[in-house]
Amino acid sequence: GAVVSQHPSRVICKSGTSVKIECRSLDFQATTMFWYRQFPKQSLMLMATSNEGSKATYEQGVEKDKFLINHASLTLSTLTVTSAHPEDSSFYICSARPVSVYGYTFGSGTRLTVV
Amino acid sequence: SQQGEEDPQALSIQEGENATMNCSYKTSINNLQWYRQNSGRGLVHLILIRSNEREKHSGRLRVTLDTSKKSSSLLITASRAADTASYFCASEGGNKLVFGAGTILRVKS
Repeated sequence: GAVVSQHPSRVICKSGTSVKIECRSLDFQATTMFWYRQFPKQSLMLMATSNEGSKATYEQGVEKDKFLINHASLTLSTLTVTSAHPEDSSFYICSARPVSVYGYTFGSGTRLTVV
Repeated sequence: SQQGEEDPQALSIQEGENATMNCSYKTSINNLQWYRQNSGRGLVHLILIRSNEREKHSGRLRVTLDTSKKSSSLLITASRAADTASYFCASEGGNKLVFGAGTILRVKS
């Protein structure tokens, strides 16, 4: 079946540094990928829609300069959290939709802890 | 808020019992989907029901959709301990998923 691979699964970084999270579609091409954020015991909130070869579309309230998204190929999207602060600590999840599958396929998520 | 609502927020049942979760959404949709999330993991797609469908079955899952009330329900029959997880509904309109708040299901063996 369709698989989305997300790395790293966990990362701890110091305040002020940047962290890159990768999301790869392993057996299908994804012109569009989605990035979500999830706080403990809460639901997923869409942060941005990543479009291959063009700029990402950000949801209201999400800082474009803080959460940089690059979708340079049909199988890879990256989310870079720049100048991370403790309040950026969260669970970040990506997803994509294989054409032949009805639902969306999600990565396994990245637990980011900023200390 | 972009989120829909789900109830109950938490549900604890015995193995073998049925579990019912309800979901409401806010805007018009193309379809509604249900996902499962084990603690600290990604989401797994369970079932999709289109806006012109009223009921759908998949194994032990039964989903209903009432577009006039903007609501959906997920029934898991003959629950197992392995069904313990969080369950989210997600409404899709305009190629974007909007998730409900989720229901935490605990099945006791």
